[in-house]
Amino acid sequence: GIQVEQSPPDLILQEGANSTLRCNFSDSVNNLQWFHQNPWGQLINLFYIPSGTKQNGRLSATTVATERYSLLYISSSQTTDSGVYFCAVELTGNTPLVFGKGTRLSVIA
Amino acid sequence: KAGVTQTPRYLIKTRGQQVTLSCSPISGHRSVSWYQQTPGQGLQFLFEYFSETQRNKGNFPGRFSGRQFSNSRSEMNVSTLELGDSALYLCASSSWTSGSPEQYFGPGTRLTVT
Repeated sequence: GIQVEQSPPDLILQEGANSTLRCNFSDSVNNLQWFHQNPWGQLINLFYIPSGTKQNGRLSATTVATERYSLLYISSSQTTDSGVYFCAVELTGNTPLVFGKGTRLSVIA
Repeated sequence: KAGVTQTPRYLIKTRGQQVTLSCSPISGHRSVSWYQQTPGQGLQFLFEYFSETQRNKGNFPGRFSGRQFSNSRSEMNVSTLELGDSALYLCASSSWTSGSPEQYFGPGTRLTVT
């Protein structure tokens, strides 16, 4: 099956710093989503981005489908950005999301 | 629009018992998927229902089952609970009619088996 690898597994940042999270996937995908899991376990949708670039405030994402990777950028990080960030991909239209193991981000004041 | 809701939010059961979890999708969404999250295995797909039919199934034993009703609400059932079934169970819904397979997740049900 499709493999999804996220790096780094853990990241500690000082408040105000910028960061880049990476997601590599092993096959062409129909869907790619980035999520932030809050301390209570809820997965918050950040981006639906099977290709191209999107921005939402301090967050932006780029997916280069031909090279099978996606990047999530967090600028001017805040303590509320702490949590686990997941990348998930869907191979075709009728297949389930396959999640990476996540990047655990800790932003310290 | 209201988001995906899951009930109950927390549950404690004893080994050998059974449990039923409920998920109400976003209004208009006809696809509901279930995932199990554990520290060791991460997020794993259980099954997906679309218009009351199971469309996909993950690699879980037959003790895990589900169904979907005509109003798109879904339930999953775990029989003969084992300690290893302790996990966060997440439900997600999506709307294929919009042309986007984007999935939206509920807050989860945290199941503890003692």
